[in-house]
Amino acid sequence: EPEVTQTPSHQVTQMGQEVILRCVPISNHLYFYWYRQILGQKVEFLVSFYNNEISEKSEIFDDQFSVERPDGSNFTLKIRSTKLEDSAMYFCASRAGQMNTEAFFGQGTRLTVV
Amino acid sequence: AQTVTQSQPEMSVQEAETVTLSCTYDTSESNYYLFWYKQPPSRQMILVIRQEAYKQQNATENRFSVNFQKAAKSFSLKISDSQLGDTAMYFCAFMKQDSGYALNFGKGTSLLVTP
Repeated sequence: EPEVTQTPSHQVTQMGQEVILRCVPISNHLYFYWYRQILGQKVEFLVSFYNNEISEKSEIFDDQFSVERPDGSNFTLKIRSTKLEDSAMYFCASRAGQMNTEAFFGQGTRLTVV
Repeated sequence: AQTVTQSQPEMSVQEAETVTLSCTYDTSESNYYLFWYKQPPSRQMILVIRQEAYKQQNATENRFSVNFQKAAKSFSLKISDSQLGDTAMYFCAFMKQDSGYALNFGKGTSLLVTP
């Protein structure tokens, strides 16, 4: 069964460093998302991506964040200068099309900023 | 902005019993979707059930069913014949029809199924 895959599963980085979280959405899906979940809190929307551009972003998604689909398969989230409060679980999700409402989630990348 | 409220942080149910998780939401939209996602200890989010707001009939997926009250903006999840594998965090989520189709999650309810 097709699935969304995320790498790495756990990343530890020093404050101020740049990190790139990687995702391979389900093939032929058109809509891509990043969400984050700070430990013990709810899942929060960061950004949605469609047709090679951001279609919506939340207040959390400020200038330190960026997304890219560098080729036909990968979808990346870059955090330019990490802060301690960026420590969280980051989930990638993809959706097949406009009429397909189910979002399929990856298993997440746990980011720890020290 | 839409808000999703889950008023039960934790719940417990015995195996084979029935449990209902509550969810309310606030929106001015007329067209939207509602979801229940399950997050087991493995942390991956798994869709349990979805409901289109324009449909009056409550959605059902095997042991899972919803009670959708549009006027009251309520969307509860009923789990029948609870199984140990149902132990997980359950998130209610709202999706409006716009350019992003992003999910707006509640804070979750931690469900423990006991033998």
